[in-house]
Amino acid sequence: GIQVEQSPPDLILQEGANSTLRCNFSDSVNNLQWFHQNPWGQLINLFYIPSGTKQNGRLSATTVATERYSLLYISSSQTTDSGVYFCAVRGYGQNFVFGPGTRLSVLP
Amino acid sequence: DGGITQSPKYLFRKEGQNVTLSCEQNLNHDAMYWYRQDPGQGLRLIYYSQIVNDFQKGDIAEGYSVSREKKESFPLTVTSAQKNPTAFYLCASSGLAGGVNRYEQFFGPGTRLTVL
Repeated sequence: GIQVEQSPPDLILQEGANSTLRCNFSDSVNNLQWFHQNPWGQLINLFYIPSGTKQNGRLSATTVATERYSLLYISSSQTTDSGVYFCAVRGYGQNFVFGPGTRLSVLP
Repeated sequence: DGGITQSPKYLFRKEGQNVTLSCEQNLNHDAMYWYRQDPGQGLRLIYYSQIVNDFQKGDIAEGYSVSREKKESFPLTVTSAQKNPTAFYLCASSGLAGGVNRYEQFFGPGTRLTVL
């Protein structure tokens, strides 16, 4: 099945800093989602982005499906951005596979 | 409010007991999913259902069972055969048939199961 890697595994930022999280996957996909898991465990949808670029406020994402990676950009980070960010990909005719996550800590 | 609800939020079980976790959605989604999350790890798929009265095993189905008698409900039973059931369980749903983002998944708040 598809393998998903995320980097970095851990990231510590000062409030106001920018960051880039990366998701690599081992095979062709036709669906990709980014999630933020808050400290209470709730998974919050950030982007559904099988290809191209999307922006939502301080967050944006880019997926280059032909090169098998996706990037999540967080600008002007806030303490509420802390948590774990997951990438999930779906290959043709398959179910979603989740990466191991990037744990982000934003310090005040 | 449209969304996915899971109950209970916390559940404690003695070894050898079966327990059932509830998942309900009012999004009119066709597909529903159960995932398991262990501390510090990603999510792994237990079971999924694309239509009523039909479901398929995911990657870690052993020791679990499900039913899908109604479109809005997808309960998960953790049986005594599951060797290490303590975990965080998340339910998700996706897609209206023919929709643009039919595979976009939305998650409930989760149930934390602890075996004593």
